[in-house]
Amino acid sequence: AQSVTQLGSHVSVSEGALVLLRCNYSSSVPPYLFWYVQYPNQGLQLLLKYTSAATLVKGINGFEAEFKKSETSFHLTKPSAHMSDAAEYFCAVSSGNTPLVFGKGTRLSVIA
Amino acid sequence: NAGVMQNPRHLVRRRGQEARLRCSPMKGHSHVYWYRQLPEEGLKFMVYLQKENIIDESGMPKERFSAEFPKEGPSILRIQQVVRGDSAAYFCASSLYKGNNEKLFFGSGTQLSVL
Repeated sequence: AQSVTQLGSHVSVSEGALVLLRCNYSSSVPPYLFWYVQYPNQGLQLLLKYTSAATLVKGINGFEAEFKKSETSFHLTKPSAHMSDAAEYFCAVSSGNTPLVFGKGTRLSVIA
Repeated sequence: NAGVMQNPRHLVRRRGQEARLRCSPMKGHSHVYWYRQLPEEGLKFMVYLQKENIIDESGMPKERFSAEFPKEGPSILRIQQVVRGDSAAYFCASSLYKGNNEKLFFGSGTQLSVL
């Protein structure tokens, strides 16, 4: 069975500061990993995904994530937070044959 | 070019009534997924359908819940005899290709409130 743990249900950063959202996964087979973002009253949008190519994955809006097999992690980062980044972020894992399993989400607040 | 369309956005039902949630996938997409989101929880997979077929319903409750994706028309998630615990946001997603490593496009969800 696969699972995702997102550390911190709420993260607050200052505008211009580094964003780091943590995600650890559990999978018995090589995983596919995703980060989705959800803005208020909207559905989820894909930020980026890892599918066993480069371990550093670049996504939209300046976000990137690094797959670290030894740490079973797929943390999401952005060098400089913008007010528009305030949203809920979900990490998800799939083996390819199983449906996406989502973490509980991390709410990002950006302080001016 | 509409994305995934869900309706209604908000649905209020009394205990014991039926709830019908509709989802029209993106144009050209024949794979539909339903997820449920409870407060302070992530999205929980419910069911994966292709046109006229249920591919994976491992996340569906055994009773009262059903889903369909007919040849014509939207996908329907049906909840019979709703209870307060069914109150949640229900999201539909679609994809162009088969496989759970494909990008999913999500609708804006239906917020179901059971009184």
